[in-house]
Amino acid sequence: QKEVEQDPGPLSVPEGAIVSLNCTYSNSAFQYFMWYRQYSRKGPELLMYTYSSGNKEDGRFTAQVDKSSKYISLFIRDSQPSDSATYLCAMSDNTNAGKSTFGDGTTLTVKP
Amino acid sequence: DTEVTQTPKHLVMGMTNKKSLKCEQHMGHRAMYWYKQKAKKPPELMFVYSYEKLSINESVPSRFSPECPNSSLLNLHLHALQPEDSALYLCASSQETWGNTIYFGEGSWLTVV
Repeated sequence: QKEVEQDPGPLSVPEGAIVSLNCTYSNSAFQYFMWYRQYSRKGPELLMYTYSSGNKEDGRFTAQVDKSSKYISLFIRDSQPSDSATYLCAMSDNTNAGKSTFGDGTTLTVKP
Repeated sequence: DTEVTQTPKHLVMGMTNKKSLKCEQHMGHRAMYWYKQKAKKPPELMFVYSYEKLSINESVPSRFSPECPNSSLLNLHLHALQPEDSALYLCASSQETWGNTIYFGEGSWLTVV
């Protein structure tokens, strides 16, 4: 079983919809939780970063971390066609940021 | 726009060639990384440099040779690659190696023919 499981998708929604992207994990040592957005043929772009449990909001994006359930989510409100990309969750413990464990990614398409 | 710059964006090389990928960051980060990403897969860590010293080599074949000339630059020297090495090579950096998020460059697309 993988350390990080991400809802595989693909996901297709109409413009303006609320999108929920989710990951579960098994390693209790994870303390840092990230969401990356990756457009086709580009490098991953850091979207959200959360330390430990709680919610974090940035514009249309909200990241939630529930350490008791080992579950993280990214919500996108008022989704736009420009949000169409692959979203990767990533997590790390307090040892090496570069050894973050990534989910396999969820590909999202927002249709106009 | 990413503050991690990678060159070249695209590279085609033969199996007997020697080439290099280059990466530069001006964020004052002390940790730099090389990742390899195949299609529809997440990035896989290859090497970690911390304060210009190699700290992690994820059992990468010797045909990939990293170099960190200074705190802002990271190179990946390529020699005698195989077609299965064709992938997107990503450079990344972070403030330190622990407890920090990593910032990726746009990547270098490598095709080995």
